[in-house]
Amino acid sequence: AQKVTQAQTEISVVEKEDVTLDCVYETRDTTYYLFWYKQPPSGELVFLIRRNSFDEQNEISGRYSWNFQKSTSSFNFTITASQVVDSAVYFCALSDPLAVETSGSRLTFGEGTQLTVNP
Amino acid sequence: NAGVTQTPKFQVLKTGQSMTLQCAQDMNHNSMYWYRQDPGMGLRLIYYSASEGTTDKGEVPNGYNVSRLNKREFSLRLESAAPSQTSVYFCASSEWVLGTASYEQYFGPGTRLTVT
Repeated sequence: AQKVTQAQTEISVVEKEDVTLDCVYETRDTTYYLFWYKQPPSGELVFLIRRNSFDEQNEISGRYSWNFQKSTSSFNFTITASQVVDSAVYFCALSDPLAVETSGSRLTFGEGTQLTVNP
Repeated sequence: NAGVTQTPKFQVLKTGQSMTLQCAQDMNHNSMYWYRQDPGMGLRLIYYSASEGTTDKGEVPNGYNVSRLNKREFSLRLESAAPSQTSVYFCASSEWVLGTASYEQYFGPGTRLTVT
């Protein structure tokens, strides 16, 4: 069975601090995909990034960066110089790898990390 | 281009009442999904439809039924609502794009359901 653990339930930082959100996953499969989604107070889910299991390159997008380490089954997310608008719940998710081309991409979500950035 | 739309946005039901949550997408995606979100539990998959004409159970299907009406629409029905079904319901869609490995799910705005 697949599992995603986001051990940090809540994090509170002051604006301009860097913050890292942890994600640890469990899967028996060698091919899989990992995702991060943001859920702002308005409630919608916003896709942030997708990473496949055979690409361990870290990725940076503006103030956001992601560190994927297969050896520790982790896919951590760092926000540099945090801003109040970053306040949201962040979800890490793991795809069901079976026949994704024909069967869609069933996701297993972590419980989420509530990030609060204070001015 | 509206993406994924859901109706209604809010609903209050009494125990035992039935209702259908509607979902439509205009991105020509093959796959559609229903999730529920409860406090402290993330999102859990209720049912999904890999393509038009097929539906399958997810992690928490009990008490729900679904219908993939056509490629655009995927509805979720509660036949006899229970307080345990109080939750926020999200519909999503995805498409495998050959050559890009791109199939992230796009989510609707959610339906907040309260069962009293």
